[in-house]
Amino acid sequence: GAGVSQTPSNKVTEKGKYVELRCDPISGHTALYWYRQSLGQGPEFLIYFQGTGAADDSGLPNDRFFAVRPEGSVSTLKIQRTERGDSAVYLCASGLGSLETQYFGPGTRLLVL
Amino acid sequence: AQKVTQAQTEISVVEKEDVTLDCVYETRDTTYYLFWYKQPPSGELVFLIRRNSFDEQNEISGRYSWNFQKSTSSFNFTITASQVVDSAVYFCALSLTQGGSEKLVFGKGTKLTVNP
Repeated sequence: GAGVSQTPSNKVTEKGKYVELRCDPISGHTALYWYRQSLGQGPEFLIYFQGTGAADDSGLPNDRFFAVRPEGSVSTLKIQRTERGDSAVYLCASGLGSLETQYFGPGTRLLVL
Repeated sequence: AQKVTQAQTEISVVEKEDVTLDCVYETRDTTYYLFWYKQPPSGELVFLIRRNSFDEQNEISGRYSWNFQKSTSSFNFTITASQVVDSAVYFCALSLTQGGSEKLVFGKGTKLTVNP
């Protein structure tokens, strides 16, 4: 079956621009997670959705970051006024929730010039 | 504090050697899960194993084995007879349930290079 997919695979943007990153979870998975991975580091949690609602957004670094999941499936991570420090790989994962395994997508590599 | 420590930053071995990757965790939760993921050069995190805090039995899957010891808060991963295809970054992670969240806390990873 299809795994988690993320688009685009790479995104280059200029400082100050707005970007959207998309995640398509595994069919039937109600839980969806966003993580950010900087070079040489492990993934760091950003936000967790259970269904349509954000159950935990404590990892979002500031109010420039926002994520939605309007129909409980596809999710979009939105970054306003991008900064060079936002450059990283943004990983999406989905799962059945409640301590179940999280399955990761291939990530979107974001480069802010 | 919830934390995962992978003290080995990089390990290099020759093919067919056995290698153990260390993972030490900290949590106050009594119910938690531990995971190992593999991240090959392609970048995608591949799930390897999930172990709950109440099950301390060791697990073996082919050339892979895992040793979970609550007494030392460790969840170590051994690859027997390593192969070049095992070269990757390996992450240990801890799953927490705090106030309804279920985030994974990852270690910094161990980069394993298996040389022919």
